[in-house]
Amino acid sequence: DIQMTQSPSSLSASVGDRVTITCRASQSVDNNLNWYQQKSGKAPNLLIYDASTLRSGVPSRFSGSGSGTHFTLTISGLQPEDFATYFCQQRYTTPFTFGPGTKVDIK
Amino acid sequence: QWHLQESGPGLVKPSETLSLTCTVSGGSVSSQNYFWSWVRQAPGKGLEYIGYIYYTGTTNINPSLRSRVTISVDTSKNQFSLEVNSMTTADTAVYYCAQLGAGRFETWGRGALVTVSS
Repeated sequence: DIQMTQSPSSLSASVGDRVTITCRASQSVDNNLNWYQQKSGKAPNLLIYDASTLRSGVPSRFSGSGSGTHFTLTISGLQPEDFATYFCQQRYTTPFTFGPGTKVDIK
Repeated sequence: QWHLQESGPGLVKPSETLSLTCTVSGGSVSSQNYFWSWVRQAPGKGLEYIGYIYYTGTTNINPSLRSRVTISVDTSKNQFSLEVNSMTTADTAVYYCAQLGAGRFETWGRGALVTVSS
């Protein structure tokens, strides 16, 4: 299985901050990397697919980059509704695997 | 707009079999564009892919669960289902059904909390 790691595991930030979350794969997944946001008690929600493609309806302050084994999710100008946990997921091969998550909370 | 809803028991005894159903609305499970999947999340933990099924019945199951998991589809009812046998406390989790397109989980159900306890 491809192992996914994320850093940091949690971070505290203020509204308006720029936040960057890193995801690494144990082997190359090309650009086959998705990002999800999960709010407490809710199902995950797809934000970005294929490493950098913003899903329709997702605010443009979210962006993704990377390829191979190293990826980043950036939130430019954190909003109150962005406080949540973020997961990466590789779709390069089955079994699909997720990162352990990065929790973003209020400083 | 697609909508998925899980249904099934919230409590299962150790060694018993869990059966969950996902009812799909807003479209057909026979769509050639999507696979139908299950993902679970243990309390306070990350997400674990269980498996998926295509409307033809083709499945892909996570090898870590393959010996205990069955996924099936009922196109006449626009539903798909998950069975996990020999349940243990380690299987306590929120079980999500999700629409899978091009390897991305696009639409999710609200989730069903399943507790394994005697």
